[in-house]
Formats: sequence, structure tokens, C-alpha cells
Amino acid sequence: DAGVTQSPTHLIKTRGQHVTLRCSPISGHKSVSWYQQVLGQGPQFIFQYYEKEERGRGNFPDRFSARQFPNYSSELNVNALLLGDSALYLCASSGRGIPGGQTQYFGPGTRLLVL
Amino acid sequence: GIQVEQSPPDLILQEGANSTLRCNFSDSVNNLQWFHQNPWGQLINLFYIPSGTKQNGRLSATTVATERYSLLYISSSQTTDSGVYFCAVEGNAGNMLTFGGGTRLMVKP
Repeated sequence: DAGVTQSPTHLIKTRGQHVTLRCSPISGHKSVSWYQQVLGQGPQFIFQYYEKEERGRGNFPDRFSARQFPNYSSELNVNALLLGDSALYLCASSGRGIPGGQTQYFGPGTRLLVL
Repeated sequence: GIQVEQSPPDLILQEGANSTLRCNFSDSVNNLQWFHQNPWGQLINLFYIPSGTKQNGRLSATTVATERYSLLYISSSQTTDSGVYFCAVEGNAGNMLTFGGGTRLMVKP
């Protein structure tokens, strides 16, 4: 089975622009989570979706939003980009049941650079 | 929220040496995972280990949930073991993983 896939792999934007990142979970997985990793730090949780509903949100501003589609793929949207949004954005998928206590599998990430 | 601390922050080893990485967490957990992040940023699953001991080749891990720590052992290290090792936990109250700051390992030939 294919692992978690993300697109694009790299992206360069300018301040104030909008960006959409995409993630496809492992086949059969219904939960998708998004994380932001800035250079030199561990990933930080942004959102979790299960069965197309938001089940958790981290400490990120309203400029960050996400959604999950009927095929369980997901999009992360960031509006009004700031220089500080430059980071590696990671998507993780887990399990076939309600999230919690299950192994999370990460995709290769999207590197976003905001100039 | 739950706090996760990893030690040491940096580690330099000679090829063939053994090492122990530690992860302390502040509350009871549903999930604890160890990851290796390669130079391209990919987080590679090493262990899912909320409690007990597991081994996979030269790597093994032990989590003592009652004392809120986990250890990752690397034996006979190789240059390909270089990278950043993260411990991440999921508390009982939530579904998100909280990551430690990582241990940056360099294995010299």
C-alpha cells in the first residue's frame, strides 16, 4: 500500500498570499492530522479531522483552516501568509476507527517558504 | 497541556558505539511514538510503544508509563543512523501528538 502522500513538495510564496496544501492518507485510514515544523523544532499540531469533521485544533490563528473530503483526503489552507509561516508542513494519517491511541504515519511534507 | 522533554539535545558517536536517548513526559499517555527524521524531513516510524519493551534489529525501546519516561536504545550505530530522533506522545484527553525537542545524532565513520 502507498503511504501518506502530500503535494506539492516545495512551494514559494510572498507575504499576504494564500496557499493550499494537500494530503492523501493511507488507504483505509479515516483520520488526517496536520503539523507545522519550523527549523530546529519538533512538529506542532495544527488540526485533526476524522470522517470529515474537525476533532482537534492547535494553537494557530484563524488564518489557518482545513477540510477533509469524502475520500478522506485533506487540504490545509493558510491565508495572508507571514514570513513566520515558512516551515515544513506535515500530514499524518491514522487508523480506521475513532482517533486515539493509534499509530500515526507521516507523509514526506511540504516545504513552504514565504518571502 | 502535556510536556515532553528529550535528552540529550545533541549526541556525537563514533560508528559502532551504543547510545541511549531519553524521553520524559508530564502526564499519562494513550500513545507514545519514536521517530527518526531524515535529512529530507521525512518522519520515519520507529516504535509505537505506550508501554513495555520492543525491539527491531539494532533498535529497541522501553516505556515505563507509571514513571513517565521512555528510552530508545541504538546499538552498533552506523552513519545512516544520523539525523534527529523525536519522541511524541498523545495524552488521554486528546488526539494530537505532542513532540519533544528532539535529539540530534551524528554518527562519525
